[in-house]
Amino acid sequence: ETGVTQSPTHLIKTRGQQVTLRCSSQSGHNTVSWYQQALGQGPQFIFQYYREEENGRGNFPPRFSGLQFPNYSSELNVNALELDDSALYLCASSLQFQGGEQYFGPGTRLTVT
Amino acid sequence: QKEVEQDPGPLSVPEGAIVSLNCTYSNSAFQYFMWYRQYSRKGPELLMYTYSSGNKEDGRFTAQVDKSSKYISLFIRDSQPSDSATYLCASLFSGGYNKLIFGAGTRLAVHP
Repeated sequence: ETGVTQSPTHLIKTRGQQVTLRCSSQSGHNTVSWYQQALGQGPQFIFQYYREEENGRGNFPPRFSGLQFPNYSSELNVNALELDDSALYLCASSLQFQGGEQYFGPGTRLTVT
Repeated sequence: QKEVEQDPGPLSVPEGAIVSLNCTYSNSAFQYFMWYRQYSRKGPELLMYTYSSGNKEDGRFTAQVDKSSKYISLFIRDSQPSDSATYLCASLFSGGYNKLIFGAGTRLAVHP
């Protein structure tokens, strides 16, 4: 069974730029959620994708957007990067009706300078 | 008030000690509760998953939920240096989608 993978591992961007982060779900999982984890904090829910559509969103602005593909992999896009966007971005996969059992990838550490 | 509150620690204990990690939550509608372990620079790893009130045991780990007081606990018996990590409690919000609401995490150090 393949676990959740994310790429890239680290990324450094400049304020105002755009970034795309990628995630491959655990084998058999059809739902992907994205979380942002600031240093010293717990992860904060950004949004969730199921059947290639966003079906839930946290308190994040529209410049955070995503995609889910037919193979259940996913992308997180962030436009107009701000310094406060510096964080660990985590992808979690699950089955739609077992949403509490979310399995996380290793994360992408984004630094905005 | 945050929906899930957790003492950030850090907590330092000697090897072999019993560790008690605790969280409180505010939303009485929460039914599912999780504990994740996160090593430095890694993603969270699901440790325990419980439904409603009661205890659940898995090896050296016991998760306890008391819905009357909105209290979540994780006990680690015979703690090992390899248990040194940040422990995150989480509650599940289900409303058409499934969102985990995390506490801030407690840093645990187990020293030999």
